[in-house]
Amino acid sequence: LAKTTQPISMDSYEGQEVNITCSHNNIATNDYITWYQQFPSQGPRFIIQGYKTKVTNEVASLFIPADRKSSTLSLPRVSLSDTAVYYCLVDRSFQKLVFGTGTRLLVSP
Amino acid sequence: DTAVSQTPKYLVTQMGNDKSIKCEQNLGHDTMYWYKQDSKKFLKIMFSYNNKELIINETVPNRFSPKSPDKAHLNLHINSLELGDSAVYFCASSQDRTDEKLFFGSGTQLSVL
Repeated sequence: LAKTTQPISMDSYEGQEVNITCSHNNIATNDYITWYQQFPSQGPRFIIQGYKTKVTNEVASLFIPADRKSSTLSLPRVSLSDTAVYYCLVDRSFQKLVFGTGTRLLVSP
Repeated sequence: DTAVSQTPKYLVTQMGNDKSIKCEQNLGHDTMYWYKQDSKKFLKIMFSYNNKELIINETVPNRFSPKSPDKAHLNLHINSLELGDSAVYFCASSQDRTDEKLFFGSGTQLSVL
């Protein structure tokens, strides 16, 4: 199974760019990298997905190096409302998404 | 309209009781899931159905029985509730069994006393 490793927590301030890196050394050739965001008392919400290089949408950017052994979720100019847990997922074995421990991001004024 | 809705939002009950959680999605998705999030916030898949067919059944006690009357609904029935069943249960759906973009409900917080 492709296991992911993320920092347990990160702190930032409003207006700053936040980069959360995820390690997935055993990623399989056909695995995509998917990131979810979870606010307290809510279910996870899909943010972005990529396979290689860079993907950008209205919420975030995802940077994936050529070896795909890691990925970085970039949140531009965070606000207080970006305080949440961010999950990096790569494991789609047996058709199930495996959530790790996630990174708890705290954005302060 | 809420895409994935589950009821109830809160469920407080005594040990030994039987309870059900209902889930409905109006996205036209083929695949639905039940996830459990424990007190340490680990999110683990329990079951998955694709077009009413059970495709994933993790190591879950057989006191937990999912039922999918149609592809828009996936209910979870729990018999003989135990203290360790206390958790937040999330329903989710995806376009099909290969789609990694899941849409989650807002969760059902189950407290077993």
